[in-house]
Amino acid sequence: NAGVTQTPKFRVLKTGQSMTLLCAQDMNHEYMYWYRQDPGMGLRLIHYSVGEGTTAKGEVPDGYNVSRLKKQNFLLGLESAAPSQTSVYFCASSYFRGTDTQYFGPGTRLTVL
Amino acid sequence: AQSVTQLGSHVSVSEGALVLLRCNYSSSVPPYLFWYVQYPNQGLQLLLKYTSAATLVKGINGFEAEFKKSETSFHLTKPSAHMSDAAEYFCAVSDNVGSQGNLIFGKGTKLSVKP
Repeated sequence: NAGVTQTPKFRVLKTGQSMTLLCAQDMNHEYMYWYRQDPGMGLRLIHYSVGEGTTAKGEVPDGYNVSRLKKQNFLLGLESAAPSQTSVYFCASSYFRGTDTQYFGPGTRLTVL
Repeated sequence: AQSVTQLGSHVSVSEGALVLLRCNYSSSVPPYLFWYVQYPNQGLQLLLKYTSAATLVKGINGFEAEFKKSETSFHLTKPSAHMSDAAEYFCAVSDNVGSQGNLIFGKGTKLSVKP
């Protein structure tokens, strides 16, 4: 039982490049989330998914897209990376939303030059 | 709208001393409140949560928190700090009533434990 896994762990991009971050969970959770963590800012929700094939915007969605084609996977895409997207990205999953424990992956550290 | 304020971005205590990390919330509905811990270079993991049952909530690793509606607070405490408690701690509130909210996180408090 691996829990929540994220790939890659580290990535360096140049401005304007694109990339996809992959999140996978093996707990059969309906809900999945992408957060970004910046120093002194806590975690901010980018996008979330309430089930296979459904996604919704969070607090800071601009510049990101997501897809949930399979229940266990949640992809975060950056179409044209900008230095402001330099951050640590965390994926999480849960059975329910507001009242339930969220299980977090180990994070992806992204640097955009 | 719901929000969370964590007082003190850095807290330093000596090993064996009381740990007190402060969290105040703003919510227009009965809140669901959480404390998560993040060890260096890791993801977050749940310490404890309040979901309208007992106001004193016990979590893992000897931590507990008390929900005080009159003070809109949910402070985290541990009687005796260990070196292994050094980490960043995040308070969070669900942004909606019932099961349909997302979590709103505070900015975090980094706890240092001195030998």
